[in-house]
Amino acid sequence: EDKVVQSPLSLVVHEGDTVTLNCSYEVTNFRSLLWYKQEKKAPTFLFMLTSSGIEKKSGRLSSILDKKELFSILNITATQTGDSAVYLCAVERKGGTASKLTFGTGTRLQVTL
Amino acid sequence: EPEVTQTPSHQVTQMGQEVILRCVPISNHLYFYWYRQILGQKVEFLVSFYNNEISEKSEIFDDQFSVERPDGSNFTLKIRSTKLEDSAMYFCASSWVGNEKLFFGSGTQLSVL
Repeated sequence: EDKVVQSPLSLVVHEGDTVTLNCSYEVTNFRSLLWYKQEKKAPTFLFMLTSSGIEKKSGRLSSILDKKELFSILNITATQTGDSAVYLCAVERKGGTASKLTFGTGTRLQVTL
Repeated sequence: EPEVTQTPSHQVTQMGQEVILRCVPISNHLYFYWYRQILGQKVEFLVSFYNNEISEKSEIFDDQFSVERPDGSNFTLKIRSTKLEDSAMYFCASSWVGNEKLFFGSGTQLSVL
């Protein structure tokens, strides 16, 4: 059974801090790892990672994958209150034509003033 | 930006009743999905749908569940005889091709009383 473990479960930081969220996984025939941000309802896509060691960046957010050690990190620099959300990590395995994602429980990030 | 839309946002039903959750995927997407999230738990895969048929389903997706694409724009999830444990947030998602990032709708909160 595919497994995704995220840490920490929750985190409170001050605006301007840098945070690192962790995701480790066990999946047979790994295809990709995805990060989503869930603010109120709909998870919104952040990154899709398929190759080790290649950092993906979008503004203050960045993410990298280590396929040897089976983990990924999501970094947020200069955090803002708008970054407060649950960050979800999900993995996808090869084999199907459609995307069947296995999600972690998420990391709840709260950014305070 | 195109988005996945879901209706209703909230649905309250009595145990044993049938419910239909509706979704309009992004218009040029070919793959459609239902996921659910029980309060406090992980987002879980239910079913994927492509070319007018189910491509994969999870153990949760038993005979009480069905999906349909009744026309060129809607994608529905039917639960024939709801149980208390069906109470959850149900997310519809779509992707342009398989194994690509999923775009999620805002969800339907189903409460079975």
